[in-house]
Amino acid sequence: DAGVIQSPRHEVTEMGQEVTLRCKPISGHNSLFWYRQTMMRGLELLIYFNNNVPIDDSGMPEDRFSAKMPNASFSTLKIQPSEPRDSAVYFCASSRAGFAYEQYFGPGTRLTVT
Amino acid sequence: EDQVTQSPEALRLQEGESSSLNCSYTVSGLRGLFWYRQDPGKGPEFLFTLYSAGEEKEKERLKATLTKKESFLHITAPKPEDSATYLCAVQGYFGNEKLTFGTGTRLTIIP
Repeated sequence: DAGVIQSPRHEVTEMGQEVTLRCKPISGHNSLFWYRQTMMRGLELLIYFNNNVPIDDSGMPEDRFSAKMPNASFSTLKIQPSEPRDSAVYFCASSRAGFAYEQYFGPGTRLTVT
Repeated sequence: EDQVTQSPEALRLQEGESSSLNCSYTVSGLRGLFWYRQDPGKGPEFLFTLYSAGEEKEKERLKATLTKKESFLHITAPKPEDSATYLCAVQGYFGNEKLTFGTGTRLTIIP
């Protein structure tokens, strides 16, 4: 299997611009997770979907962040407008639906907002 | 709220020098404890899942163990390629499918 695919791998943008991160989960996985990793806060869950439905978005920092999963093979995380404090590595992960299944992570998108 | 604390933050070992990494956790009912390895510039790579106290799992030079309060990742005769950040995460009964991660231990193996 190809694993979790994320694009772009690197994104540099100016403050105030819209940023869209993309993720393709592993085929057959019904749960999809978006994480953010920073040196200060480590790896934090932003939102997760089960069967394309958002289940827990309590980690989304504010209204500037939104996520969608229009089908089982694609998800987006959008930041509008972007701010310098959004600079981080954003990971997408997928797993089989249910509890205690391991999550498989993509390579991440390194976002820099200047 | 689930909590995970990993220690030490960083560890430098000589090649062949065995040691252990610690993961202490607080969770309202443990569904699973997960160990991941993360190399610089890459996403976390799954290593093990432990489900109940007393359980052990091994993979090459790594062995993970679990008690009711903590987990250890034992590294036996490490090689330079074992250098990475090791992350621990828990999934509790009241946290749906989310994983709560520790901040990791950065392991460096010196040739």
